[in-house]
Amino acid sequence: DTAVSQTPKYLVTQMGNDKSIKCEQNLGHDTMYWYKQDSKKFLKIMFSYNNKELIINETVPNRFSPKSPDKAHLNLHINSLELGDSAVYFCASSQEGLNSPLHFGNGTRLTVT
Amino acid sequence: DQQVKQNSPSLSVQEGRISILNCDYTNSMFDYFLWYKKYPAEGPTFLISISSIKDKNEDGRFTVFLNKSAKHLSLHIVPSQPGDSAVYFCAASGIQGAQKLVFGQGTRLTINP
Repeated sequence: DTAVSQTPKYLVTQMGNDKSIKCEQNLGHDTMYWYKQDSKKFLKIMFSYNNKELIINETVPNRFSPKSPDKAHLNLHINSLELGDSAVYFCASSQEGLNSPLHFGNGTRLTVT
Repeated sequence: DQQVKQNSPSLSVQEGRISILNCDYTNSMFDYFLWYKKYPAEGPTFLISISSIKDKNEDGRFTVFLNKSAKHLSLHIVPSQPGDSAVYFCAASGIQGAQKLVFGQGTRLTINP
């Protein structure tokens, strides 16, 4: 009974392709996030959604489009993949509350060739 | 510009001894700080946090110290155990709370038997 699950775990694709990463949480949290861990290992927020509504969009290229069909799911679709998109993408969720800790999924390693 | 920095990429400590992980931040608007622990191929998991109104928070073997004037926090693990071997991320938040955590680049802690 994984709390935050994301699929696939690994994704290898060619430049120019479109791909999606799915995320689901069964914790009943209202807020979900996408983080990117780049080659320098920094974890940086990309998006946050609260109850299906976009709250934060951190200057991410518009090739990245998050979609939240319901508050338990937040998917990430990436168009026209570029080499620089290669990274590990983490989905996370948190309870309502200003400083509620984030619960992370196990990550999706995206490799663009 | 990295607002949260962990200047030691790695740290090696003998089992039973104290592990001290350090973190510096530059943004004086940060008022909440967290430590996350990450094992390979898993997402970060929340470990301990501290509000800026405190200078110390303890949870079992883990203690976080905050020095606001120096914009510095540290995580102490006593006694260190082999299962503590992981990457530790420091994170900070301001007015937007968990909606916008800023992470450091992590310190890899290895506990030697």
